[in-house]
Amino acid sequence: NAGVTQTPKFRILKIGQSMTLQCTQDMNHNYMYWYRQDPGMGLKLIYYSVGAGITDKGEVPNGYNVSRSTTEDFPLRLELAAPSQTSVYFCASSRGNEKLFFGSGTQLSVL
Amino acid sequence: QKEVEQNSGPLSVPEGAIASLNCTYSDRVSQSFFWYRQYSGKSPELIMSIYSNGDKEDGRFTAQLNKASQYVSLLIRDSQPSDSATYLCAVIRGNAGKSTFGDGTTLTVKP
Repeated sequence: NAGVTQTPKFRILKIGQSMTLQCTQDMNHNYMYWYRQDPGMGLKLIYYSVGAGITDKGEVPNGYNVSRSTTEDFPLRLELAAPSQTSVYFCASSRGNEKLFFGSGTQLSVL
Repeated sequence: QKEVEQNSGPLSVPEGAIASLNCTYSDRVSQSFFWYRQYSGKSPELIMSIYSNGDKEDGRFTAQLNKASQYVSLLIRDSQPSDSATYLCAVIRGNAGKSTFGDGTTLTVKP
């Protein structure tokens, strides 16, 4: 089982560029999440989804967009990248009020 | 007031000692509580989950939950250098399925 797969692992963007972080899971989990983690801090929820076609904002959604067309995939779109979006991004999935399964993370730098 | 607060670190203990990590949460409707361990540059992994008042033991790890005091802790007995990591407390409110994280406590176990 691959679990939660995130790509890319590293990316450098210039200010104003856009990109999509890919996330896919093979555990048939309904719940999927995007978190960001700044240095020395905990994880902040960006967006989450409770099933295909359903998404909702988390704590820090500004500058991001998501879609959930299938149970497996939950891509995160960054539009007009800003230095404040420099962070490590984690995708995760779960069966609801249970533990999170995390992807390996994406280190993003916006210069 | 932060939703989830952890005791500020870093925490340093000698090998073989007991490490005590603490977490408080603000929302009384919180139902599910988790401790994740995160090694530097890696994604978080679950150490313990606890849902009911009292203690839950798993090997060298014991989680303690007191809902009246809105307090959850993690004890690590016979600490090993391999326990050196950042420990993240996470809380799920009600049945929302969204985990809120504290900022983490960094533990160093010295040989």
